[in-house]
Amino acid sequence: NAGVTQTPKFQVLKTGQSMTLQCAQDMNHNSMYWYRQDPGMGLRLIYYSASEGTTDKGEVPNGYNVSRLNKREFSLRLESAAPSQTSVYFCASSEQWGANEQYFGPGTRLTVT
Amino acid sequence: AQSVTQLGSHVSVSEGALVLLRCNYSSSVPPYLFWYVQYPNQGLQLLLKYTTGATLVKGINGFEAEFKKSETSFHLTKPSAHMSDAAEYFCAVSEGSGGSNYKLTFGKGTLLTVNP
Repeated sequence: NAGVTQTPKFQVLKTGQSMTLQCAQDMNHNSMYWYRQDPGMGLRLIYYSASEGTTDKGEVPNGYNVSRLNKREFSLRLESAAPSQTSVYFCASSEQWGANEQYFGPGTRLTVT
Repeated sequence: AQSVTQLGSHVSVSEGALVLLRCNYSSSVPPYLFWYVQYPNQGLQLLLKYTTGATLVKGINGFEAEFKKSETSFHLTKPSAHMSDAAEYFCAVSEGSGGSNYKLTFGKGTLLTVNP
């Protein structure tokens, strides 16, 4: 039981490049989330998927898109990376949409030059 | 809108001393409250949570927190700090039963340093 896994662990992009961050969970959870973590800012929600087939914007969605591929997988895409998107990205999942505790992946450290 | 304030971005204690990390929240409905811990280069791990019932909540690694509605607080404590407690701690709030905004709102975090 791996929990929440994320790939890649590290990535360096040039401004304007695109990439997709992958996330998968093996806990049969219904809800999944993408956060970014910046120093002194805590975690901020980018997008979430309350259940398979639905996605919604969070606090900071600009510059990102998501896909809930199936119940297990939730990907985050940067179409044209900008230096402001340099951050650590965390995927999380919870059993249901409704104030359940969230389980976090190990994170992807992204640098955009 | 819900919000979380963590007082003190950095707290330093001696090994064996009391740990007190402060968290105040605002919420328009009864909240669900969480404390998460993040060790260096790792994801967040749930320490404890309050949903309903007993206001004193015990978590992992000897931590506990008390929900005080009158003070809108959910401070995290541990009687005796251990070197392994050095990490960043995040308080988070979401709307509880009766609400519809189940998204977690996190505080900015408190970095705990434990000195030998």
